Amino acid sequence: GENVEQHPSTLSVQEGDSAVIKCTYSDSASNYFPWYKQELGKRPQLIIDIRSNVGEKKDQRIAVTLNKTAKHFSLHITETQPEDSAVYFCAAMENYGGATNKLIFGTGTLLAVQP
Amino acid sequence: DTGVSQNPRHKITKRGQNVTFRCDPISEHNRLYWYRQTLGQGPEFLTYFQNEAQLEKSRLLSDRFSAERPKGSFSTLEIQRTEQGDSAMYLCASSPGTGYNSPLHFGNGTRLTVT
Repeated sequence: GENVEQHPSTLSVQEGDSAVIKCTYSDSASNYFPWYKQELGKRPQLIIDIRSNVGEKKDQRIAVTLNKTAKHFSLHITETQPEDSAVYFCAAMENYGGATNKLIFGTGTLLAVQP
Repeated sequence: DTGVSQNPRHKITKRGQNVTFRCDPISEHNRLYWYRQTLGQGPEFLTYFQNEAQLEKSRLLSDRFSAERPKGSFSTLEIQRTEQGDSAMYLCASSPGTGYNSPLHFGNGTRLTVT
């Protein structure tokens, strides 16, 4: 089955700086890679996703890149703001025989944006 | 609110008791997932349904855990003879179906504390 590793586990940046979180996955058949943001005591919320036929996707201050050959993908947040502080999870969607299966999550990155 | 709804939000029980949680997915979402999340970890897959059919159950799930989705709408997760190690946040998520890479939408979870 799929295995997702995420680094770093904690990340502290100054307001206005950029933050980068990296993930690797093991199953080359996985074809969908979402990122979730989870604030303390709240539900994980989808912030951006990327499909395996695309190398990069941007949405305002956030972007995700995917390298299928190396089996890694990254989240980039520019011009960070204090409200970006949260735990971020990457995930990979298993894909068996062309049918999507379930999301496997990384262990999370606690991002702290210092004002 | 048309999001995923979970009840109860909190459950405190004594070791050895049975507990049952309910999840109401987003209307017309065919896929329903149960995940478990402990502090500092990413959501861990438990089981999922396509309509009323339970398609996969994690090998990590002991026989004390059972889930149902009898009419393909709401789902229940029951834990029998609870143990302290069962203490966690139990998250439910739904997605539109088997379409190419459907995002998962999470509920607010049920926090279980076993004393």
